[in-house]
Amino acid sequence: AQSVTQLDSQVPVFEEAPVELRCNYSSSVSVYLFWYVQYPNQGLQLLLKYLSGSTLVKGINGFEAEFNKSQTSFHLRKPSVHISDTAEYFCAVSDRRSGSARQLTFGSGTQLTVLP
Amino acid sequence: SQTIHQWPATLVQPVGSPLSLECTVEGTSNPNLYWYRQAAGRGLQLLFYSVGIGQISSEVPQNLSASRPQDRQFILSSKKLLLSDSGFYLCAWRPAVGPETQYFGPGTRLLVL
Repeated sequence: AQSVTQLDSQVPVFEEAPVELRCNYSSSVSVYLFWYVQYPNQGLQLLLKYLSGSTLVKGINGFEAEFNKSQTSFHLRKPSVHISDTAEYFCAVSDRRSGSARQLTFGSGTQLTVLP
Repeated sequence: SQTIHQWPATLVQPVGSPLSLECTVEGTSNPNLYWYRQAAGRGLQLLFYSVGIGQISSEVPQNLSASRPQDRQFILSSKKLLLSDSGFYLCAWRPAVGPETQYFGPGTRLLVL
């Protein structure tokens, strides 16, 4: 079984400032890692994912995340945020093992609010 | 390209009434399908998933059920809604093989009064 902890439920930040949204996970098996973004009253859109290879992954809208196996973390970062980045962000993991249904386990989400 | 549809977009139902939410995927075959629920101020909880027609796995005990009558159709149902069933219901799909990403539909907002 897996679990995901997003340590900050709300993150306010001024426009053009950097931001980091934290995500830690717990799992007894190897996992894939994901960040999704949800705008109000919409479904989830994939920002980026880590499957294998380089631990620094780049996604859409200028976001990036780094997988740290020893700290079981997958923090999301952006060097300069825009008003349009205001949304809820979800970290998620899925089981890597072949034959599994790859269901996602989500964190509780972080509401990012970008202030003018 | 693949698309995923959910309907209705919004639903207001009285307690004790039945429920049927539909999800369909276009442009792919034999997808894995998922139903999630997002309660207000909370994360997403996996309710059901399906790896094929007629194959349903339930993650949490509840008064909801799911069915997959066709390859690309996934239905979420209830015989009698509870107040606690209110929330935002999201359907998702992923290829049975290949990319690991799940793709989400636009969601259905359900309010039980």
